[in-house]
Amino acid sequence: EAEVAQSPRYKITEKSQAVAFWCDPISGHATLYWYRQILGQGPELLVQFQDESVVDDSQLPKDRFSAERLKGVDSTLKIQPAELGDSAMYLCASSPTTLAGGLDEQFFGPGTRLTVL
Amino acid sequence: AQSVAQPEDQVNVAEGNPLTVKCTYSVSGNPYLFWYVQYPNRGLQFLLKYITGDNLVKGSYGFEAEFNKSQTSFHLKKPSALVSDSALYFCAVRGNSGNTPLVFGKGTRLSVIA
Repeated sequence: EAEVAQSPRYKITEKSQAVAFWCDPISGHATLYWYRQILGQGPELLVQFQDESVVDDSQLPKDRFSAERLKGVDSTLKIQPAELGDSAMYLCASSPTTLAGGLDEQFFGPGTRLTVL
Repeated sequence: AQSVAQPEDQVNVAEGNPLTVKCTYSVSGNPYLFWYVQYPNRGLQFLLKYITGDNLVKGSYGFEAEFNKSQTSFHLKKPSALVSDSALYFCAVRGNSGNTPLVFGKGTRLSVIA
């Protein structure tokens, strides 16, 4: 069964350092999402891509966060500089929908747990 | 703005008993509703969704959910709980206009006791 791959699974960094997370969605999935999940809360959308284009990044803290999906396949989420409050699980998800606001379920990767010291 | 409420942080149920995990929502227009489950150290897994049609939706692993428009609820149910159902359950909603994001509740931890 195809799965969404994420790496690394765990990342420990010091504040003010740069970190990057990688996601490889299920093959053929046009839509890719990055979520942040703080302990005890549900996932919150950071950015949504349709192929290589950003559809929604309204909740992405653009002063320190950036995301790209250059060839419309895998994606990278970067934080620079990291802050203590960035400690969370970062989840990547993909769905096959080709239309904005699609109704398909999302397939989630295992996540990257970030700890900022 | 759309929102989801899961009023219970924790639900405990004995194995073999029926279980209910509650969810209420607020959204403009008609809702699209989802349930996901999260096991330790794993990503969220899709259980079921309501888009339109029959108010009773059946999903994976014997779970079902009932859409109640008047009560704006979408409670998750299972007739007979298993110990392996113990996990974190998330309800999520999105509106049906434009590119509205999926909004998740804070989650309910289900513990099934043998």
